[in-house]
Amino acid sequence: AQRVTQPEKLLSVFKGAPVELKCNYSYSGSPELFWYVQYSRQRLQLLLRHISRESIKGFTADLNKGETSFHLKKPFAQEEDSAMYYCALSGPTGANSKLTFGKGITLSVRP
Amino acid sequence: GAGVSQTPSNKVTEKGKYVELRCDPISGHTALYWYRQSLGQGPEFLIYFQGTGAADDSGLPNDRFFAVRPEGSVSTLKIQRTERGDSAVYLCASSLNSGANVLTFGAGSRLTVL
Repeated sequence: AQRVTQPEKLLSVFKGAPVELKCNYSYSGSPELFWYVQYSRQRLQLLLRHISRESIKGFTADLNKGETSFHLKKPFAQEEDSAMYYCALSGPTGANSKLTFGKGITLSVRP
Repeated sequence: GAGVSQTPSNKVTEKGKYVELRCDPISGHTALYWYRQSLGQGPEFLIYFQGTGAADDSGLPNDRFFAVRPEGSVSTLKIQRTERGDSAVYLCASSLNSGANVLTFGAGSRLTVL
């Protein structure tokens, strides 16, 4: 069974502070990992995916297969980063597979 | 259209009634997904379609829930004999194909069962 665990529900930091949103997963095989974000009154949208190896809005995430983790990081948080963040997992790219989400974490960045 | 469109945006019904929720995906997207999101939870998978067929319906909670996509475009999620526990936001998403795994979500349909 595939499972995503986001151990914290809320992270509150001051503007300019570093941010790390934790995500651990369980999957038999080689999964694809994602972070989705939902800003206030907006739709759920893709933030980044591990195979792209990109930095989006200053966020990065590295897949650690040994620790089965995919933590989201940003060195200097901005107020506009305040949102709900969901870690998600699917089977390998190209395979018919559903996307499984974690419960999400609220990031609050205070001025 | 430019994005995934869901109607109605809000639906209030009484326990025991029948409800239909509609999803119009991005044109050309062959894969369509339904998720349910309860308060304080992440999106919970219900079913996904590849074309007209349901490729995986393992997330449907019971036989009161059913979804169709007869022409491979618009999909309807149908809930019979609604219960208070069905209250949630029902999200639809589409992707170019199910192997792409990158989903574009609609705004959701908020269902309240009184």
